[in-house]
Amino acid sequence: NAGVMQNPRHLVRRRGQEARLRCSPMKGHSHVYWYRQLPEEGLKFMVYLQKENIIDESGMPKERFSAEFPKEGPSILRIQQVVRGDSAAYFCASSEQQYGANVLTFGAGSRLTVL
Amino acid sequence: KQEVTQIPAALSVPEGENLVLNCSFTDSAIYNLQWFRQDPGKGLTSLLLIQSSQREQTSGRLNASLDKSSGRSTLYIAASQPGDSATYLCAVAYRDDKIIFGKGTRLHILP
Repeated sequence: NAGVMQNPRHLVRRRGQEARLRCSPMKGHSHVYWYRQLPEEGLKFMVYLQKENIIDESGMPKERFSAEFPKEGPSILRIQQVVRGDSAAYFCASSEQQYGANVLTFGAGSRLTVL
Repeated sequence: KQEVTQIPAALSVPEGENLVLNCSFTDSAIYNLQWFRQDPGKGLTSLLLIQSSQREQTSGRLNASLDKSSGRSTLYIAASQPGDSATYLCAVAYRDDKIIFGKGTRLHILP
């Protein structure tokens, strides 16, 4: 079991470009969560998805950010027209069931740098 | 408002000492509390998960306790080693399906 796989591990974009971050959950996990970590800050919840459904996007900025978890393939966090303030580490986690009794397993993160 | 606070923000102790990291949370309606370790530039590694009905969990030199009524959890590390140096994060899973993280405690074990 390869665990939660995130790619790219590092991504550099110029202001105004688009960033796409991918997350493949652990085998058998159908629940995916995205978190953002700013320097010297804790992890902030962004969005919770199940296959083909967004369950909770209350932590997602209303503009420029979107997420999906298609029936086939990885979950994708998309940031359009990136700005310097988007520079952060973006972590994906997966679980077998919804929060509750299950351990969250995290990926190694994708570090976005906006020039 | 649901908040998770970790104190201290940073801690340096000599190798071999036992130490305690603290996590406090508001709102006792929780599913579980999970302690993670994060090494610089790396992802999060789950250390211990305590269900809301449990009082403590142990794994090797680590022991985590949970007092739901007072909104507190502690992570006890016995006989600390330089390899324990990392940031330790506390995460609370609430019954409204939110998971809130503390900002972490940066631990440095002095050889």
